[in-house]
Amino acid sequence: TQLLEQSPQFLSIQEGENLTVYCNSSSVFSSLQWYRQEPGEGPVLLVTVVTGGEVKKLKRLTFQFGDARKDSSLHITAAQPGDTGLYLCAGTPPNDYKLSFGAGTTVTVRA
Amino acid sequence: GAGVSQTPSNKVTEKGKYVELRCDPISGHTALYWYRQSLGQGPEFLIYFQGTGAADDSGLPNDRFFAVRPEGSVSTLKIQRTERGDSAVYLCASSPLPDQPQHFGDGTRLSIL
Repeated sequence: TQLLEQSPQFLSIQEGENLTVYCNSSSVFSSLQWYRQEPGEGPVLLVTVVTGGEVKKLKRLTFQFGDARKDSSLHITAAQPGDTGLYLCAGTPPNDYKLSFGAGTTVTVRA
Repeated sequence: GAGVSQTPSNKVTEKGKYVELRCDPISGHTALYWYRQSLGQGPEFLIYFQGTGAADDSGLPNDRFFAVRPEGSVSTLKIQRTERGDSAVYLCASSPLPDQPQHFGDGTRLSIL
């Protein structure tokens, strides 16, 4: 059983459209990370959020941490084919160091 | 190298055999983690080292799994009497300190026939 629930599981959109991926839990996390993983490779860290309500932007990607530090979202504006990949959220429980991952959202951006 | 290095990248073996998977973390990173990722799932925690000692091995599924990090750098994950259910991608990550972001290697894809 994974602590973090990601939705949707799969997302296929046209180039130029916007998309949002959600990561929800009933548990509080001291920090939450978003990773992107390509086939045959390890997850690559995109961002870490630590403060409730925090919003971080990375070019066309916007990450938000919920006020209660139980949920997060990733929004991509004007998606491009290069955004295609598996997006994983991962949280660190308080007083712990191991990551608990969601099952991931597979994003496909069609040209 | 600049990143976390894992060898071999692929390992195919028969049920019942013993396997060793190696992780070479980023130089200077004191914390090292092993995770296992099954098809269609996110990685699941196995074990975490701080220096040479296993600080948390609560994710190891049973006593067939064991990991060492004798000099506080390279780590080896050892699996005895492998079973088909052990087939997965085994990922290693390291961080400078335990509360800092983890950087992952590309994993070892283990297939048990």
